[in-house]
Amino acid sequence: NAGVMQNPRHLVRRRGQEARLRCSPMKGHSHVYWYRQLPEEGLKFMVYLQKENIIDESGMPKERFSAEFPKEGPSILRIQQVVRGDSAAYFCASSRGNLAGGYTGELFFGEGSRLTVL
Amino acid sequence: GENVEQHPSTLSVQEGDSAVIKCTYSDSASNYFPWYKQELGKRPQLIIDIRSNVGEKKDQRIAVTLNKTAKHFSLHITETQPEDSAVYFCAAMRPGNTGKLIFGQGTTLQVKP
Repeated sequence: NAGVMQNPRHLVRRRGQEARLRCSPMKGHSHVYWYRQLPEEGLKFMVYLQKENIIDESGMPKERFSAEFPKEGPSILRIQQVVRGDSAAYFCASSRGNLAGGYTGELFFGEGSRLTVL
Repeated sequence: GENVEQHPSTLSVQEGDSAVIKCTYSDSASNYFPWYKQELGKRPQLIIDIRSNVGEKKDQRIAVTLNKTAKHFSLHITETQPEDSAVYFCAAMRPGNTGKLIFGQGTTLQVKP
């Protein structure tokens, strides 16, 4: 089991460009979460997706950010017209079940994608 | 809104001593409380978790206690080792159809050999 795979691990963009981050959940996991971690801070929830559905996007900025988890392929976090404040580590996590629904398993995190905006 | 406060922000102990990290949460409906360990540049890894129907849980040198009335929970690491040095995050989650974890700010633990 390869674990949660994120790519790219490091991404450098200039202001105004687009950043596209990809996440493949662990095999057998259908629940995907994206978190953002600013330098020396905790992780902030962004969005929770299941296949073809956004379940909770309460942590997503209203503009420039979008996420999807298509029927086939990885989950994508897309940031349009990046600004310096978007520089952060973006972590994807997956779980086999719904944590809130009594699932007692683990939320597995990927190694993160570190975005630097110049 | 939902909030988790974590203290201390940094903690330095001698190898073999115990370390205690404390968290308080604001949402009384929260019922799931995991702890994650994050080494520099690495992914957060779950080390222990507890649900609200349990007051204490132990796994070898690591234990977590939960006081639902006071809305706080703590991580206890005994016989600390240098490899325990990392950033530790507590988190809380309320029931519902979302897996949204609210994380504390993190505690940087340094274990001196």
